[in-house]
Amino acid sequence: DSGVTQTPKHLITATGQRVTLRCSPRSGDLSVYWYQQSLDQGLQFLIQYYNGEERAKGNILERFSAQQFPDLHSELNLSSLELGDSALYFCASSVTSGRADTQYFGPGTRLTVL
Amino acid sequence: QKEVEQDPGPLSVPEGAIVSLNCTYSNSAFQYFMWYRQYSRKGPELLMYTYSSGNKEDGRFTAQVDKSSKYISLFIRDSQPSDSATYLCAMSGENAGNMLTFGGGTRLMVKP
Repeated sequence: DSGVTQTPKHLITATGQRVTLRCSPRSGDLSVYWYQQSLDQGLQFLIQYYNGEERAKGNILERFSAQQFPDLHSELNLSSLELGDSALYFCASSVTSGRADTQYFGPGTRLTVL
Repeated sequence: QKEVEQDPGPLSVPEGAIVSLNCTYSNSAFQYFMWYRQYSRKGPELLMYTYSSGNKEDGRFTAQVDKSSKYISLFIRDSQPSDSATYLCAMSGENAGNMLTFGGGTRLMVKP
């Protein structure tokens, strides 16, 4: 157990809908990262937050947004869902946002868009 | 072409074999190299972490980085059925914050 928690474990929804994925980092970690894992694209970095502020952005679609709250938990919002958004979404956390910082991954949320 | 290439496998070996897993990359800015293990439907788990070129050993696992060839390896000695999983290499660079770029993963099966 990495200490990173994610809810829900599974999510099934329809195209066009909006969902929110939640992540709680390890105790003491200030940085949160979101990754998407699909069969064709592998594990891809979406976005990073550090102590409430956006720190880095990857290949995140405009339909997706995230935020980190004062208690350091983070939410990833996915809207206007398409079939291709079906994937595993992982959250990771690290102590700081430093280059050498180890990222610990949560168990993931499996999103299925029908 | 992807920044990080990894043979997807599957790689099937008998129990007790030495396993060699590899990744090649194209971005010379990568400085930090990691290996993660991912069991089916679980989150990636960090196995090894190395900085720049060289070797690092931890129990049955050895990680090697050759920056001149842009090639990294993970060796698993005395492989066990419990090592059956997907192994992901990951990298980050000086100018990319702490975002990780992953290989596609190699699926390993260790048969009793």
